Amino acid sequence: ETGVTQTPRHLVMGMTNKKSLKCEQHLGHNAMYWYKQSAKKPLELMFVYNFKEQTENNSVPSRFSPECPNSSHLFLHLHTLQPEDSALYLCASSQDPSGGALGTDTQYFGPGTRLTVL
Amino acid sequence: AQSVTQLDSHVSVSEGTPVLLRCNYSSSYSPSLFWYVQHPNKGLQLLLKYTSAATLVKGINGFEAEFKKSETSFHLTKPSAHMSDAAEYFCVVSDSGNTPLVFGKGTRLSVIA
Repeated sequence: ETGVTQTPRHLVMGMTNKKSLKCEQHLGHNAMYWYKQSAKKPLELMFVYNFKEQTENNSVPSRFSPECPNSSHLFLHLHTLQPEDSALYLCASSQDPSGGALGTDTQYFGPGTRLTVL
Repeated sequence: AQSVTQLDSHVSVSEGTPVLLRCNYSSSYSPSLFWYVQHPNKGLQLLLKYTSAATLVKGINGFEAEFKKSETSFHLTKPSAHMSDAAEYFCVVSDSGNTPLVFGKGTRLSVIA
């Protein structure tokens, strides 16, 4: 596979469930991102990892827990979510030598996971 | 602080006619500007980006955008629309430096046969 892949593509969960989203990039990048895309709202940055270190947490509730075991893999662990957390969750990666969410580096996006919380 | 405004939530054009998607930005510094496209059930794909080089930027699939500092605009154009151009388009800004991308709300482009 090439580019950025995300699994699962669709997920339905109850509010008491625990699930994880997975992202994998095959581009040799060192920075990875989680975004939330809700209907009629701009894309919201959630987390940024650079060289496996978290460099950005955009005031995300603790029911979302990211994990980055290496530069190629990124997880988003979900527990006790709310119905308003239903959205498309997008992963992206970039080659970012600056150590932060530098905007000049092109971000490559995965297809997303469509999450529905019942 | 940086921000971006996409002036139209929905644009509809006939196949073969020009496309204009409007974007205005606000930035405290010399910004980097991007246009991304999202087809249904797909992730975002970079169309083009401006990073303080030539003000007229050419992208993929025949799209281009012009950076106009005096108007704080970065409108996306294409001379002739194809059916395959129907998608959601996002204008994105980032201040130079260590700041995240800020996305507009998107413009949905419909192309009528």
